[in-house]
Amino acid sequence: EIVLTQSPATLSLSPGERVTLSCRASQSISRNLAWYRQKPGQAPRLLISDASNRATGIPARFSGSGSGTDFTLTISSLEPEDFAVYYCQHRNNWPITFGQGTRLEIK
Amino acid sequence: EVQLLESGGGLIQPGGSLRLSCEVSGFTFSSYAMSWVRQAPGKGLEWVSAISGSGGSTYYADSVKGRFTISRDNSKNTLYLQMNSLRAEDSALYYCAKETALLDAFDFWGQGTMVTVSS
Repeated sequence: EIVLTQSPATLSLSPGERVTLSCRASQSISRNLAWYRQKPGQAPRLLISDASNRATGIPARFSGSGSGTDFTLTISSLEPEDFAVYYCQHRNNWPITFGQGTRLEIK
Repeated sequence: EVQLLESGGGLIQPGGSLRLSCEVSGFTFSSYAMSWVRQAPGKGLEWVSAISGSGGSTYYADSVKGRFTISRDNSKNTLYLQMNSLRAEDSALYYCAKETALLDAFDFWGQGTMVTVSS
């Protein structure tokens, strides 16, 4: 089973700031990584697939990069709705696994 | 508009059974693989099970293998999860999720149905 480790667990930031979240895989997963944002009380929403492809309707402030074992999600300028939990997920083989999540808090 | 609506959750005693349903609309159901993903209260996301568009291939997390069965009825646009021998650790919000055509992510999710396993 591929383990995805996200860091940091929690970040406290202000609106307008730039942030980079990390996701590290326990073995190479090529570019088979997706990112989701989950707001409180809501289902996750797909942000990025295939490591760097923005999903339909996702603003350009979100960008993803990486391949192999190291991946990042960057938000160029935080909006109020971005303070949420972010999960990475691999789709390289079975079983599918998710990272434990990174929580973005308002400072 | 793509919609996924889960139902069937509830309070069940340990060892009991429950069947979850996910009725979908807004896309050609039979063309897409589907999954169940769960989230225990205050915890992260855990993939549970997946099924191909035709229903011919199924996959399970080790934590549910042998106890849960995923299936689909493409004529009814409905995904199912039969859960047997339920344990306290199965308590969670269960989401159904649609996979992309490229099988690289879950692009649509339902709002979830809550399962609580407790005596």
